[in-house]
Amino acid sequence: QKEVEQDPGPLSVPEGAIVSLNCTYSNSAFQYFMWYRQYSRKGPELLMYTYSSGNKEDGRFTAQVDKSSKYISLFIRDSQPSDSATYLCAICSGSARQLTFGSGTQLTVLP
Amino acid sequence: DGGITQSPKYLFRKEGQNVTLSCEQNLNHDAMYWYRQDPGQGLRLIYYSQIVNDFQKGDIAEGYSVSREKKESFPLTVTSAQKNPTAFYLCASSRTVHIQETQYFGPGTRLLVL
Repeated sequence: QKEVEQDPGPLSVPEGAIVSLNCTYSNSAFQYFMWYRQYSRKGPELLMYTYSSGNKEDGRFTAQVDKSSKYISLFIRDSQPSDSATYLCAICSGSARQLTFGSGTQLTVLP
Repeated sequence: DGGITQSPKYLFRKEGQNVTLSCEQNLNHDAMYWYRQDPGQGLRLIYYSQIVNDFQKGDIAEGYSVSREKKESFPLTVTSAQKNPTAFYLCASSRTVHIQETQYFGPGTRLLVL
């Protein structure tokens, strides 16, 4: 079993839809949870970062962490064609020196 | 402009050849990283460096080598021992190696085998 599982998609939604992207993880020691966005043929960029259970909101984006279920989500409200990208979750424990990445979910928002 | 540059954008390797990927940052970051990205597998860490003249192996270091002679530079050599080098290679840096520090990524180098 992989330490981090992420549905690769592809996921296709109409403009304005609410998008839900998810990752599950197996190691209960994981404490830090990040979402990266990667446009085609580009490097990833950090979108959201949280280290506690609950919700964190930034504009149209909400990161949700449920440590009891080992489940993290990224919600995108009022999705736009410019949100079309691959979204990667990244997780680690406090003592780690490296991130464990999910495989990424490819999202397309249709105009 | 502050950021991370990687060159070349595309690189072709012949059988038995060593090739070197360049990574430069002007963010004054101490820590630098090399990742490999394959379809359906996310990013995997090859090597990282906490400070000049120091580097540590990541999960998939076999067939790769690095050096860190200058703070701003962290080149990656893909040696002939790496039997499956075709991938997208990403360099990243962060202020320190502490895991809470944001990692900033370069635009990547795509390596193809002839």
